[in-house]
Amino acid sequence: QVTLKESGPVLVKPTETLTLTCTVSGFSLSDASVGVSWIRQSPGKALEWLAHISSNDEKSYRTSLKSRLTISKDTSNSQVVLVMTNMDPVDTGAYYCARISGDYRTGFDYWGQGTLVTVSS
Amino acid sequence: SYVVTQPPSVSVAPGQTARITCGGDNIGSESVHWYQQKPGQAPMLVVYDDSDRPSGIPERFSGSNSGNTATLTISRVEAEDEADYYCQVWESSSDHYVFGPGTKVTVL
Repeated sequence: QVTLKESGPVLVKPTETLTLTCTVSGFSLSDASVGVSWIRQSPGKALEWLAHISSNDEKSYRTSLKSRLTISKDTSNSQVVLVMTNMDPVDTGAYYCARISGDYRTGFDYWGQGTLVTVSS
Repeated sequence: SYVVTQPPSVSVAPGQTARITCGGDNIGSESVHWYQQKPGQAPMLVVYDDSDRPSGIPERFSGSNSGNTATLTISRVEAEDEADYYCQVWESSSDHYVFGPGTKVTVL
């Protein structure tokens, strides 16, 4: 059974750094063609892709946020970590991790439940 | 960067057919995926690679893609289909995953 679960702080202050962890089960982060993305959603807004890490550790970032984002993975602990620096109230929202198994033609087939992050002083 | 468009809302009576479009430059040459998101829930993949359905998704959900428009069709709409629907493509030139702005489907 494939599951993904996000964890991290509920509240962060402006200018602080956010660290989110996605813990996966039912598959390995080293499985061929498996990748994990972070996707966020501000309240009442659309989904916004942030970053992706592939099975061979290739990384990609949303251009507008590239300077603030770092994605990494710990295969032995089945975790993908997203670090976002210099948090701002506009970064408030739900943060999801999601899996792609295969190439770009497969879509995000499994999602975590999401974790809500509020940025406020 | 690649931009996709969706109508903000679609309304449909129960038992009728809902069609949700996703527009983009030559999107017919891309692989389009569709997600359903109900309030307070994570998105769920309902159609991938233009027209394939993951296991467990009802046959009422179908997709097509040609030219500058991809379409998600929901046949015999039920009350439980009321949700936000997002299309998504992968932009190969930048290795970015692009989501549409979403369409709210209301079942009358």
